[in-house]
Amino acid sequence: EVQLVESGGGLVQPGGSLRLSCVASGFTFSDHYMDWVRQAPGKGLEWVGRTRNKANSYTTEFAASVKGRFTTSRDDSTNSLYLQMNGLKPEDTAVYFCARKGGPRTGYLDLWGRGTLVTVAS
Amino acid sequence: DIVMTQTPLSSPVTLGQPASLSCRSSQSLVHSDGNTYLSWLHQRPGQPPRLLIYKISNRFSGVPDRFSGSGAGTDFTLKISRVESEDVGVYYCMQGSQFPLTFGQGTKLEIK
Repeated sequence: EVQLVESGGGLVQPGGSLRLSCVASGFTFSDHYMDWVRQAPGKGLEWVGRTRNKANSYTTEFAASVKGRFTTSRDDSTNSLYLQMNGLKPEDTAVYFCARKGGPRTGYLDLWGRGTLVTVAS
Repeated sequence: DIVMTQTPLSSPVTLGQPASLSCRSSQSLVHSDGNTYLSWLHQRPGQPPRLLIYKISNRFSGVPDRFSGSGAGTDFTLKISRVESEDVGVYYCMQGSQFPLTFGQGTKLEIK
């Protein structure tokens, strides 16, 4: 089955760190760029960041709101994507989705995981 | 950043009737490669978003043909020819032409 499964969410204090994981199955993970998108409770979608594939040197892009605090990485040998979140703030509270970008020149996110909830509170 | 503005924010529709959702971008979404990376996603309560339409008007695999997309430049429309009960939820437009990727605030489709 083609799917993405996130894990690692939970309750963390402001200023703390958390590492989210996303495991892919059913497709050639190494071919695809992978994104993180978040959704605060009752709110809309906010793009967080992207990690490109090996052919594009695993380069990354981030939203300004998380740049310098979040990093993303991947392990193609285990079909895994990671989001390392440091310096967490209450406004980072959200469900975090990993999403697959379609192939070259597609500009869309065509496969989404169910998400993992991160709550930043004291 | 490109701001995506969707209207209306809420759309009550009668089953079997059409619906039209609009999305406007603060600048042209035409990429330097000539493509316009505007997509539409649907999110039901408690579920992740699902891709419906990409590059303005292309239906993604498995999407019913009652969904259609149109537009150009900065103005885009998603139309549902005959709304079914499974179509309720929130519809988001998303631009993938420029970083950061941005989404509209969503249009909530409800059944009257």
